[in-house]
Amino acid sequence: GQQVMQIPQYQHVQEGEDFTTYCNSSTTLSNIQWYKQRPGGHPVFLIQLVKSGEVKKQKRLTFQFGEAKKNSSLHITATQTTDVGTYFCAGPGNQFYFGTGTSLTVIP
Amino acid sequence: DAGVIQSPRHEVTEMGQEVTLRCKPISGHNSLFWYRQTMMRGLELLIYFNNNVPIDDSGMPEDRFSAKMPNASFSTLKIQPSEPRDSAVYFCASTLGYTEAFFGQGTRLTVV
Repeated sequence: GQQVMQIPQYQHVQEGEDFTTYCNSSTTLSNIQWYKQRPGGHPVFLIQLVKSGEVKKQKRLTFQFGEAKKNSSLHITATQTTDVGTYFCAGPGNQFYFGTGTSLTVIP
Repeated sequence: DAGVIQSPRHEVTEMGQEVTLRCKPISGHNSLFWYRQTMMRGLELLIYFNNNVPIDDSGMPEDRFSAKMPNASFSTLKIQPSEPRDSAVYFCASTLGYTEAFFGQGTRLTVV
């Protein structure tokens, strides 16, 4: 079945540093979604990218969809403690598979 | 709408017992997903329903697991008999088509 891998699995950063997580799919995606799960919480939708090469921004977060629509990235500029959590990408399709996730720890 | 509602929030049961997890999706959503989350395996898709019909249950780990969706507003995930390795957080999510997935608060299952 479809596999969506994310790297890194874990990332520790000092507050104020940047953070990037990468998502790679074994198949071409019609679109890609990103979610954030706070510790002890449930995944919450952040954004959806549809077009090849699309870039979207939400304040300090920048999302990019690859030209081949098989990879994506999430970049956070100047991390804050409120960014702590696990970030998942998801490839909506018949099965709605989620990536393996990147757990972000921000050290004050 | 109150969002996706799961019950119970926490369940502690003894090995061998039957466990039933419940989910009420958002009204109007036509797809429902059951996920299991553990530290080791991350967020695993167990089964997916579309218009109340099971489309793909290839993620269901064993015959001990079964899921039903008798109508558009209710789904259950049953484990019988339960085993300690089934301990995890189980999430239900619903969507309208391939739009954003709304997750419930999850059920934390502990099998002792």
